[in-house]
Amino acid sequence: GAGVSQSPRYKVAKRGQDVALRCDPISGHVSLFWYQQALGQGPEFLTYFQNEAQLDKSGLPSDRFFAERPEGSVSTLKIQRTQQEDSAVYLCASSLRWDAAYEQYFGPGTRLTVT
Amino acid sequence: DQQVKQNSPSLSVQEGRISILNCDYTNSMFDYFLWYKKYPAEGPTFLISISSIKDKNEDGRFTVFLNKSAKHLSLHIVPSQPGDSAVYFCAVPLRGSQGNLIFGKGTKLSVKP
Repeated sequence: GAGVSQSPRYKVAKRGQDVALRCDPISGHVSLFWYQQALGQGPEFLTYFQNEAQLDKSGLPSDRFFAERPEGSVSTLKIQRTQQEDSAVYLCASSLRWDAAYEQYFGPGTRLTVT
Repeated sequence: DQQVKQNSPSLSVQEGRISILNCDYTNSMFDYFLWYKKYPAEGPTFLISISSIKDKNEDGRFTVFLNKSAKHLSLHIVPSQPGDSAVYFCAVPLRGSQGNLIFGKGTKLSVKP
């Protein structure tokens, strides 16, 4: 079956623009995670959904970041008024079981460049 | 403060030799550890894991060793192949088997033919 897909793969935004990044998890996967990976760093946690419920958003760096998963499948990460420090690869991951969330399958990421 | 540390940003190894990638962690309560492999322009892919009740887990050419007293784990690749060239991340689930992963900064492995 298809893996996790993300779109767009690349996004260039002018500072101050809003962006929306989409994640299509593997069908039937309960848990969905968003991570941010800056250049030369490991992925850092942003937020976590179990079905449509956002159970943890402690990693969101500011209130400009917002994520949703309204029907428990596709998720969107929105960044308002983008800043240069938002430039990073945004990774989405999903897992089948809520209690084995460590078995995460990652998408290819969206590379966001803010100019 | 980093809870998962990979202190070697890069490693170069000759094809056929052993690659050893290291990872240190700070929290003795962590009880599951994973290694992910990442090629450019792709997402990380799961490689191998180990539970804290074990000290070794082997899968083909890949073996992970866990030293709980030293809070250290290592990934051994034998024999190394050019296709193993990638960035390797050590990762730990934040809360047992649930929740998000905490990643190290990664080690870029280059295997020379």
